[in-house]
Amino acid sequence: QSVLTQPPSVSAAPGQTVTISCSGASSNIGDNTVNWYQQLPGKAPKVLIYYNDLLSSGVSGRFSGSKSATSASLVISGLQSEDEADYFCAAWDDSLNGFYVFGTGTKVTVL
Amino acid sequence: QVQLQESGPGLVKPSETLSLTCSVSGGSINSKTFYWSWIRQPPGKGLEWIGYFHDSGTAKYSGPTKYNPSLKSRVTISVDTSKNHLSLKLSALTAADTAVYYCARAPPTMIVPHYFDFWGQGTLVTVSS
Repeated sequence: QSVLTQPPSVSAAPGQTVTISCSGASSNIGDNTVNWYQQLPGKAPKVLIYYNDLLSSGVSGRFSGSKSATSASLVISGLQSEDEADYFCAAWDDSLNGFYVFGTGTKVTVL
Repeated sequence: QVQLQESGPGLVKPSETLSLTCSVSGGSINSKTFYWSWIRQPPGKGLEWIGYFHDSGTAKYSGPTKYNPSLKSRVTISVDTSKNHLSLKLSALTAADTAVYYCARAPPTMIVPHYFDFWGQGTLVTVSS
């Protein structure tokens, strides 16, 4: 049912920068805030970025978020091995009388 | 610090109804401010929002509950403030409902929930005969 599209995977060497895209529509990203979650293997998701670009408490400044029209991006700079995880974007969607939607998810691999 | 803990059966049979509880500690399950949600994740797959309970009366949508349209006919979410817990009932189960089920809290907003700041550890539910 996900209507937020992310690349299935991205990879990079330690120290490099990766960008994860999240493509949506006017009913979700266009009209509502985008939020990003990190899910480490076997763990519950944890919010990294909320309200498009605000860094959650305790989260490294190497993470940043942005939004433009119906798309959003998460940037991880100075990639570290501990960043290897699944990342999900999410937003409220005003269609179908409203529901919360998660992105398809992106697996980040540190080479 | 708020903590959430899911509990319930790990194995349920097809066509039966799943009942899960989320116990909240370290704070009150104040449903007039926070949005209390259930979210699930099939093994190896992505996250799916199931619904929320929020009865501030000022949210964008009337009524204390809001459900994912794809699950609406089978879901009931409720809050018991005396026990400080959140409940989920999901009926007419099939193998497709096999997933890790999480409860989560979204901070207060005037209109809709934006993000979930506290999550339970999740509980795996397998639907099989």
